[in-house]
Amino acid sequence: EVQLLESGGGLVQPGGSLRLSCAASGFTFSSYAMSWVRQAPGKGLEWVSAVSGSGVKRDYVDSVKGRFTISRDNSKDTLYLQMNSLRAEDTAVYYCAKHGSSGAIDIWGQGTKVTVSS
Amino acid sequence: EIVLTQSPGTLSLSPGERATLSCRASQSVAGSYLAWYQQKPGQAPRLLIYGVSSRAIGIPDRFSGSGSGTDFILTISRLEPEDFAVYYCQQYGSSPRAFGQGTKVEIK
Repeated sequence: EVQLLESGGGLVQPGGSLRLSCAASGFTFSSYAMSWVRQAPGKGLEWVSAVSGSGVKRDYVDSVKGRFTISRDNSKDTLYLQMNSLRAEDTAVYYCAKHGSSGAIDIWGQGTKVTVSS
Repeated sequence: EIVLTQSPGTLSLSPGERATLSCRASQSVAGSYLAWYQQKPGQAPRLLIYGVSSRAIGIPDRFSGSGSGTDFILTISRLEPEDFAVYYCQQYGSSPRAFGQGTKVEIK
């Protein structure tokens, strides 16, 4: 069974850092692009960042460029999101997501909650 | 940057009725890379449609997608009780891979 399990969320003060992890299982992790998508409380979905299967190509939404870094360890089947200089507006549930061969996101994790507050 | 605008914001319908959801892009979506997702309260989204009109695995045929260029439609032919949810479109042909703001389909 294909599974994505996020961890690392929590409460952090403005300006702080967190690292999210996403453990993948049930598929050949290195063969697929992965994304992080977030959802602020009561709001819609926002794509945050994506990384190619090899990890070479990375992409970000403008609002997180220079603050967030996406990476992956294909030997551990794990995706990461390093989040620095966190702001209140980064408060959201963060979903780890797998892209299918079509390019669309075909598998989602259950999400990890990040709260940025003093 | 492509902006996706979904309409209506809320659709109030009864079970058995037909639902038509719109997704309009600010510029042409490259390669027909347009997907639709369903999200229920407290759950992660689920892929319904990719490549404008291809149903994902396990998605019933009452869900269909159509459109091209900048105008896309998700149709639910006959609403079942489990179809009342929020629906999002997303373009994944260019960066940023934006989502629309969502359409809530609620029970009338």
